[in-house]
Amino acid sequence: NAGVTQTPKFRVLKTGQSMTLLCAQDMNHEYMYWYRQDPGMGLRLIHYSVGEGTTAKGEVPDGYNVSRLKKQNFLLGLESAAPSQTSVYFCASSRQAGDTQYFGPGTRLTVL
Amino acid sequence: AQSVTQPDIHITVSEGASLELRCNYSYGATPYLFWYVQSPGQGLQLLLKYFSGDTLVQGIKGFEAEFKRSQSSFNLRKPSVHWSDAAEYFCAVVPMDSSYKLIFGSGTRLLVRP
Repeated sequence: NAGVTQTPKFRVLKTGQSMTLLCAQDMNHEYMYWYRQDPGMGLRLIHYSVGEGTTAKGEVPDGYNVSRLKKQNFLLGLESAAPSQTSVYFCASSRQAGDTQYFGPGTRLTVL
Repeated sequence: AQSVTQPDIHITVSEGASLELRCNYSYGATPYLFWYVQSPGQGLQLLLKYFSGDTLVQGIKGFEAEFKRSQSSFNLRKPSVHWSDAAEYFCAVVPMDSSYKLIFGSGTRLLVRP
């Protein structure tokens, strides 16, 4: 059981470039989440999904898009990266609403 | 405003000393309560959680937390800290009005003196 995995671990982008972060879970969880972590601000929810084919906005969705085409995968896209999107991104999953969320190891993204 | 507050940004304790990390929340109904730990460069690991029942909750690595409804608090404790406990600790809640959202405090960084 790998749990929650994230690809890539590190990435450097130039302003205006695009990229996709991949999250995969092997626990058959319905719910998946994308967070960003910035110093002194804890983790903030970007987007989430309550099941395959569904997505919804979280606290800080602007500049990001997501897709959940398969139950086990949740993709986070940046169409035109900005320096303000420099952050550490965490994916998480849970069996059901309100249940314990299990986190991936994170992706450190720098936008120059 | 609804929030989760961890008033201590940094705490330094000596190895073997006791530890208490504070967490307060401001939600009308008692939310689900969690403590997570993040070691440097790592993801978050669940230490313990409270949904209902006994207000003293035992977790992994010798941690415990006590829910106090009257104080809207969920403080994390450990009787004897080990050097390996140095990490950042996050309190988090799932409010009853939006059960999918995990709201995090800003974190407390624990430093352990030898």
